[in-house]
Amino acid sequence: KQEVTQIPAALSVPEGENLVLNCSFTDSAIYNLQWFRQDPGKGLTSLLLIQSSQREQTSGRLNASLDKSSGRSTLYIAASQPGDSATYLCAVSPYYGGSQGNLIFGKGTKLSVKP
Amino acid sequence: DAGVIQSPRHEVTEMGQEVTLRCKPISGHNSLFWYRQTMMRGLELLIYFNNNVPIDDSGMPEDRFSAKMPNASFSTLKIQPSEPRDSAVYFCASSLGGENTEAFFGQGTRLTVV
Repeated sequence: KQEVTQIPAALSVPEGENLVLNCSFTDSAIYNLQWFRQDPGKGLTSLLLIQSSQREQTSGRLNASLDKSSGRSTLYIAASQPGDSATYLCAVSPYYGGSQGNLIFGKGTKLSVKP
Repeated sequence: DAGVIQSPRHEVTEMGQEVTLRCKPISGHNSLFWYRQTMMRGLELLIYFNNNVPIDDSGMPEDRFSAKMPNASFSTLKIQPSEPRDSAVYFCASSLGGENTEAFFGQGTRLTVV
């Protein structure tokens, strides 16, 4: 059974710092991995999607990497800003015998960027 | 496109009552997902549809939960009878389908059963 773990559960950093959020998954048979952002009381916003054949994806100050063989992904946020404060969720789309899968989520890392 | 639209945003109901949550996916998306989010368990998949057909409902907790997708632009999640432990935020998401397409989430319905 696929399990997704995110460490740390919470992180507080001063503004301007570069930071890394970690995600690990137990089964490397995945279609892709997605990183989401969730603001309090809001839905999830997709940040980056990395296909299983890819090693990384970049969008602005965000860079996500994927090491499928070791079951790990990282989300790198450069020059953090108070507006980056949110919960960041990692999710994998598991591969089940070729059928289209769903998303299995970690419990998230709550990030607080202090001015 | 307005994105995935869920209604209502908030629902407070008494134990034993029927609750119906609604979702309008993004036009053209072939896959629709219902998730539940709680502090204890995080985000859990309840059921997902592909081309209006339920593919995997193994996450539906009990027979009290049912979901339908009568057409490509509408889905419902019904709880009957509701219980306090059903209190959670319920999210609907949609995607184009296929192996590497992004899922887009609605704003969620916060359900409180008293």
